[in-house]
Amino acid sequence: QKEVEQNSGPLSVPEGAIASLNCTYSDRGSQSFFWYRQYSGKSPELIMSIYSNGDKEDGRFTAQLNKASQYVSLLIRDSQPSDSATYLCAVITTNFGNEKLTFGTGTRLTIIP
Amino acid sequence: EPEVTQTPSHQVTQMGQEVILRCVPISNHLYFYWYRQILGQKVEFLVSFYNNEISEKSEIFDDQFSVERPDGSNFTLKIRSTKLEDSAMYFCASRQGRGYNEQFFGPGTRLTVL
Repeated sequence: QKEVEQNSGPLSVPEGAIASLNCTYSDRGSQSFFWYRQYSGKSPELIMSIYSNGDKEDGRFTAQLNKASQYVSLLIRDSQPSDSATYLCAVITTNFGNEKLTFGTGTRLTIIP
Repeated sequence: EPEVTQTPSHQVTQMGQEVILRCVPISNHLYFYWYRQILGQKVEFLVSFYNNEISEKSEIFDDQFSVERPDGSNFTLKIRSTKLEDSAMYFCASRQGRGYNEQFFGPGTRLTVL
């Protein structure tokens, strides 16, 4: 069973600080990694994708990937109350060439004003 | 910006009834997916669809489930005889393909089985 693990939280971070979210995955063959944001009662919204080892920055968001350690992280700089949501780590897993997203349980992030 | 749409937003049905959930994927996308999320649980893959056939299905996607692309725009999920445990949010997603791996999700249909 190919798994994606996240700390479910809740993670509380003061407004303006850096929020750090972590994820590990079991399928060593995975090549594509995503972070989705999900507000309560809403659908997952794609915020970052990363395919290569290292860092990828987009505005206040930085995704980090370490394939050797099977570890993906998301940093949110200058956290805002609107960043309060559940953050889902998702990994493309492949079965005989067919791809699907495997999700972690999500980390609930609360930004404290 | 193009987006995935889903109807209805909320469906209430009696156990044993058939339901059809509808999705309109992003127009130039080639790969289509259904996922579900039971309240408080993680998003789970149900089925993927490409070139008018199922590519992969999960253990959840048993004989009670079927998918169809009846025309050039709609993508449907049918549950033939609903059970209480089918109550969940159902999300449709689409992917452009051709090297683009990002999947974009619709707003979901909340299915309540009574």
